[in-house]
Amino acid sequence: DTGVSQDPRHKITKRGQNVTFRCDPISEHNRLYWYRQTLGQGPEFLTYFQNEAQLEKSRLLSDRFSAERPKGSFSTLEIQRTEQGDSAMYLCASSLGGGGVISYEQYFGPGTRLTVT
Amino acid sequence: GQQVMQIPQYQHVQEGEDFTTYCNSSTTLSNIQWYKQRPGGHPVFLIQLVKSGEVKKQKRLTFQFGEAKKNSSLHITATQTTDVGTYFCAGPTTSGTYKYIFGTGTRLKVLA
Repeated sequence: DTGVSQDPRHKITKRGQNVTFRCDPISEHNRLYWYRQTLGQGPEFLTYFQNEAQLEKSRLLSDRFSAERPKGSFSTLEIQRTEQGDSAMYLCASSLGGGGVISYEQYFGPGTRLTVT
Repeated sequence: GQQVMQIPQYQHVQEGEDFTTYCNSSTTLSNIQWYKQRPGGHPVFLIQLVKSGEVKKQKRLTFQFGEAKKNSSLHITATQTTDVGTYFCAGPTTSGTYKYIFGTGTRLKVLA
């Protein structure tokens, strides 16, 4: 399968615990996005990478969220001291793209569903 | 901040009827993308529109980008049960990066 993969698919954790999610993008894609989606809502932007550089992080995120993309390949999203309000589907997407102004379609992974009890 | 709204929020149609969802941005967009998300699935890219007034067709689906590049529409002719899902539009922000703002979505149910 050459699509975007995410691991784990489901995560149940207790409030206050840290969790880490992984995203493996399509290999030739240099843009990688993280979104959060709650029931009945559209994907909400969290952060975005161009290769290994994190170019933007949503102001909606607290300092409890951090993302990395070492070597411009896979990415991890960590949530520290989880709260019940963090319960959501976390989606990763990747796309082609260089430094120009052209936008490309985003390919989404299956998501990681987080439940904080 | 920049907002992307869609109407209607929900639409129930009988199989064979037409369906239209409208997307409105608070700011001018350089391009707009449309995605479909099936129940329990993830968003899947449908199309991208770039030019003012652009119209693109994919079989029974017709996409249009407004002249002012602030609105867009998706029209489905003769809906089928396979069209069930939520349709999202998404536009890049004006900040110069490739951050996308997704619309609120229109959830389509098709009654056989």
